[in-house]
Amino acid sequence: DAGVTQSPTHLIKTRGQQVTLRCSPKSGHDTVSWYQQALGQGPQFIFQYYEEEERQRGNFPDRFSGHQFPNYSSELNVNALLLGDSALYLCASTRTSGAYEQYFGPGTRLTVT
Amino acid sequence: RKEVEQDPGPFNVPEGATVAFNCTYSNSASQSFFWYRQDCRKEPKLLMSVYSSGNEDGRFTAQLNRASQYISLLIRDSKLSDSATYLCVVNPATGKLIFGQGTTLQVKP
Repeated sequence: DAGVTQSPTHLIKTRGQQVTLRCSPKSGHDTVSWYQQALGQGPQFIFQYYEEEERQRGNFPDRFSGHQFPNYSSELNVNALLLGDSALYLCASTRTSGAYEQYFGPGTRLTVT
Repeated sequence: RKEVEQDPGPFNVPEGATVAFNCTYSNSASQSFFWYRQDCRKEPKLLMSVYSSGNEDGRFTAQLNRASQYISLLIRDSKLSDSATYLCVVNPATGKLIFGQGTTLQVKP
């Protein structure tokens, strides 16, 4: 049973560039959430996708956008990268958009220079 | 005030010790509660869900006090492999997980 997978594992970008991160949920899961984790902090919720729609959004600017595909996989896009966007980006999946446990992928470590 | 507050530690304990972590949350409407474990530069992994009746999984015991909006995690007979960051997590029934900053545990030989 495959767990949550993410790609790429590491990425280095320059300020002002755009980046796309990808996530495939755990088998049987239909809801994907994205989190940003800065060094020394807990993960911060970016947004959640269910039935190909953004259902909830955290306190992140519009530079952060996403998409969910019919196979439940998801992308996170960040435009006009800032140095402060350097972080570990985590994808989590669950069976429903309710209160069930969420399972995390290994993350993508983004460095903006 | 942060939505979920934890003492960041670090907690340095010898092998075999019992250690307890506490966490408070601000949203009284929160529906589900979890402890996640995170190793350095790795993803958070679900350690256990926390129920009002309390629950135990081997050496780990979690408790929830809804009236005080307080969650705890007790680790008995600490092992070197327990060294990690423990994240207190609250879900206000919206599917959005709210994480505490994490508490760092270092178990020494």
